[in-house]
Amino acid sequence: GENVEQHPSTLSVQEGDSAVIKCTYSDSASNYFPWYKQELGKGPQLIIDIRSNVGEKKDQRIAVTLNKTAKHFSLHITETQPEDSAVYFCAASIRYSSASKIIFGSGTRLSIRP
Amino acid sequence: DVKVTQSSRYLVKRTGEKVFLECVQDMDHENMFWYRQDPGLGLRLIYFSYDVKMKEKGDIPEGYSVSREKKERFSLILESASTNQTSMYLCASSLFAGQGSNQPQHFGDGTRLSIL
Repeated sequence: GENVEQHPSTLSVQEGDSAVIKCTYSDSASNYFPWYKQELGKGPQLIIDIRSNVGEKKDQRIAVTLNKTAKHFSLHITETQPEDSAVYFCAASIRYSSASKIIFGSGTRLSIRP
Repeated sequence: DVKVTQSSRYLVKRTGEKVFLECVQDMDHENMFWYRQDPGLGLRLIYFSYDVKMKEKGDIPEGYSVSREKKERFSLILESASTNQTSMYLCASSLFAGQGSNQPQHFGDGTRLSIL
């Protein structure tokens, strides 16, 4: 079946440095790629998303890139801050007849070292 | 702002009990979803619903059922709870914007369920 692989599972970076999380997907029909941030005790919150007709999208310190040929997409966080510490999930849409279904990666626990 | 509210943050039940998890959204979304979250496995879809009284199985529906009697409410039911259903359960909703048009899913803060 369809799947999304996410790496690394844990990531520790120095405050101010950049963090990169990578995902690959299997369904060539996927056309929507959201990224979620989950803080302790909270549900996942959408931080950025990209659609298949766009190769890159940026929102302040966060950017996402998409390579449809290789079926992979990445999250880049620049100038990391302590509040960036969280678990991040990538996801990819799965074509389905009746609803917008997405499949999640297994998550990356990002820690920002002061 | 979209608000998805799950009725309980923590729940402890016994093996064999019938368990109800409730979820309400206030943004008139057509789609609603139930996931379970386990360490190292990400979020796995249990069931989803794209309309009132409509439901579809997700990736791991065994041992679960759902009910959607009203548009804003989506209930997850554990018919006979077992210890391997101890997990974090997350509800989400999204707008339907046309066939094949994906919209962001908005999540509740989860229910941590323990089955003893």
